[in-house]
Amino acid sequence: QKEVEQDPGPLSVPEGAIVSLNCTYSNSAFQYFMWYRQYSRKGPELLMYTYSSGNKEDGRFTAQVDKSSKYISLFIRDSQPSDSATYLCAMNQGGGTSYGKLTFGQGTILTVHP
Amino acid sequence: EAQVTQNPRYLITVTGKKLTVTCSQNMNHEYMSWYRQDPGLGLRQIYYSMNVEVTDKGDVPEGYKVSRKEKRNFPLILESPSPNQTSLYFCASSPLTVAYEQYFGPGTRLTVT
Repeated sequence: QKEVEQDPGPLSVPEGAIVSLNCTYSNSAFQYFMWYRQYSRKGPELLMYTYSSGNKEDGRFTAQVDKSSKYISLFIRDSQPSDSATYLCAMNQGGGTSYGKLTFGQGTILTVHP
Repeated sequence: EAQVTQNPRYLITVTGKKLTVTCSQNMNHEYMSWYRQDPGLGLRQIYYSMNVEVTDKGDVPEGYKVSRKEKRNFPLILESPSPNQTSLYFCASSPLTVAYEQYFGPGTRLTVT
């Protein structure tokens, strides 16, 4: 079983829809939870990060972490065609000998059509 | 412009022929890392470095070597490439205190025949 599981999709939604992207994980030592966005033929870029449990909002994007369920989510409100990309969740223990180690999900391909 | 650069961007080679993919960053970051991206498997970490002369294995280090002799450079070496190393490779860097906030390079598409 992979440490981080993410449904690869693809996910196709109409413009203006609310999008929900999710990841589950098995390693309870993870403390930092990130969402990266990757446009076609580009490197990933950090979208948001959350430390431990809770919600974090940034414009149209909301990240949620539920450590008790080992489940994280990214919500995109009022989705736009420019949001079409692959979204990757990533996790990090945030300390100790594994501080520099990041574990990524498989990525979810999202298409927002006009 | 703050950036991570990789060279070459595309490479086709044959089994067993040693190659090096270079990575350089101009942001004075302590942390650097290499990943490979494969369909259905996502991004997997190969090696990372917390500072000069300090390197550590990621999840898939077999068949790869790295060195960190200067802060800005972190080359990836494939001493005897095999077809299963055909992949898209990314280099990334970050300040040490925020290793989760990584800046990625544009990628290197490697094909080993």
